[in-house]
Amino acid sequence: KAGVTQTPRYLIKTRGQQVTLSCSPISGHRSVSWYQQTPGQGLQFLFEYFSETQRNKGNFPGRFSGRQFSNSRSEMNVSTLELGDSALYLCASSLGLDRVHEQYFGPGTRLTVT
Amino acid sequence: DQQVKQNSPSLSVQEGRISILNCDYTNSMFDYFLWYKKYPAEGPTFLISISSIKDKNEDGRFTVFLNKSAKHLSLHIVPSQPGDSAVYFCAAKGKSGGYQKVTFGIGTKLQVIP
Repeated sequence: KAGVTQTPRYLIKTRGQQVTLSCSPISGHRSVSWYQQTPGQGLQFLFEYFSETQRNKGNFPGRFSGRQFSNSRSEMNVSTLELGDSALYLCASSLGLDRVHEQYFGPGTRLTVT
Repeated sequence: DQQVKQNSPSLSVQEGRISILNCDYTNSMFDYFLWYKKYPAEGPTFLISISSIKDKNEDGRFTVFLNKSAKHLSLHIVPSQPGDSAVYFCAAKGKSGGYQKVTFGIGTKLQVIP
């Protein structure tokens, strides 16, 4: 069974630009969560999507948004990029909602904002 | 405000000995705790978890202990093996503002020396 895939793996953007990251969950998984990992803050939960609806969210500004498609694939968008948005963005999928212990993570997208 | 704290950024242990990784939390609403392991260039993988109604959970070489009164949990690895060398994240799940959120610590890098 293929794992969680994330594209692109690496991305360099300029301050003020916007970026879209993509996540394809494991086949059959309907929940997708997004996390931001930085050296000083560790992994921070962004949001969780299930059945195309955002079900849970963390404490990030509205510049961070996401969506989920009918095939459970998810995209995350960050608008008006800031230097502090440089991070590893991880997506995780699970069969159902709130099943944290059954999450499978992708390898992440490394975003660098210059 | 770090609600989940891993105060040791790194730990070195001899092969065959016990590794003890510690985690403290501040939010008494957390009801489920998890440990993840992360190798470089890969996403975190779930290791072991514990519900707040228990004080110990064991899975092979891995045991997690929870002390609710002290808001402290620890992961014991016995015996430690070189393949255990990775970054270990402690995570806690709980409701906040009507949403289920997962909060991670910043990680502890474990090195097992052969």
